[in-house]
Amino acid sequence: KAGVTQTPRYLIKTRGQQVTLSCSPISGHRSVSWYQQTPGQGLQFLFEYFSETQRNKGNFPGRFSGRQFSNSRSEMNVSTLELGDSALYLCASSLTEILQETQYFGPGTRLLVL
Amino acid sequence: DQQVKQNSPSLSVQEGRISILNCDYTNSMFDYFLWYKKYPAEGPTFLISISSIKDKNEDGRFTVFLNKSAKHLSLHIVPSQPGDSAVYFCAAMDSNYQLIWGAGTKLIIKP
Repeated sequence: KAGVTQTPRYLIKTRGQQVTLSCSPISGHRSVSWYQQTPGQGLQFLFEYFSETQRNKGNFPGRFSGRQFSNSRSEMNVSTLELGDSALYLCASSLTEILQETQYFGPGTRLLVL
Repeated sequence: DQQVKQNSPSLSVQEGRISILNCDYTNSMFDYFLWYKKYPAEGPTFLISISSIKDKNEDGRFTVFLNKSAKHLSLHIVPSQPGDSAVYFCAAMDSNYQLIWGAGTKLIIKP
């Protein structure tokens, strides 16, 4: 069974631009969560989608948004990029909306904002 | 304010010895804790978890200890192997089933 895939793997943008990241969960998984990882900060929860509905949202500004499609694939969008948005963005999928230990992570998208 | 803290950014241990990774938390309402391991260029993978009703959980070479009064948990790896070299994240689950993550500890196993 294929794992969680994220595209693109690397991205360079400039301040003020917007970016869309994509995540394809493991086949059959209906929950997708997004995290931001920056050095020294661990993983910060962005949001979680289950069956196309956003169930939980972390403490990030409205510039960060996401959505989930009927095939469970998810996208996250960051508008008006700031230098501080440079980070590794991780997507995780799970079969259900509970039992966080069954989250499977993708390799991440590394975003650099210049 | 970080609710989950891993105060050691890195730890170096000789192969075959015990590795002890520590994690402190501030919210006494956390009742489920997890450890994840992350290799470079890969996403984190789940390692072991513990519920607050227990003080110890063991899985092969990995044991997690929980001290609720001290709001402290630790991960023991015995014996340490070269393949254990990775970044280890401690995470706590809040009442909304969200994970609050520590900053990670980079474990280096020396041959």
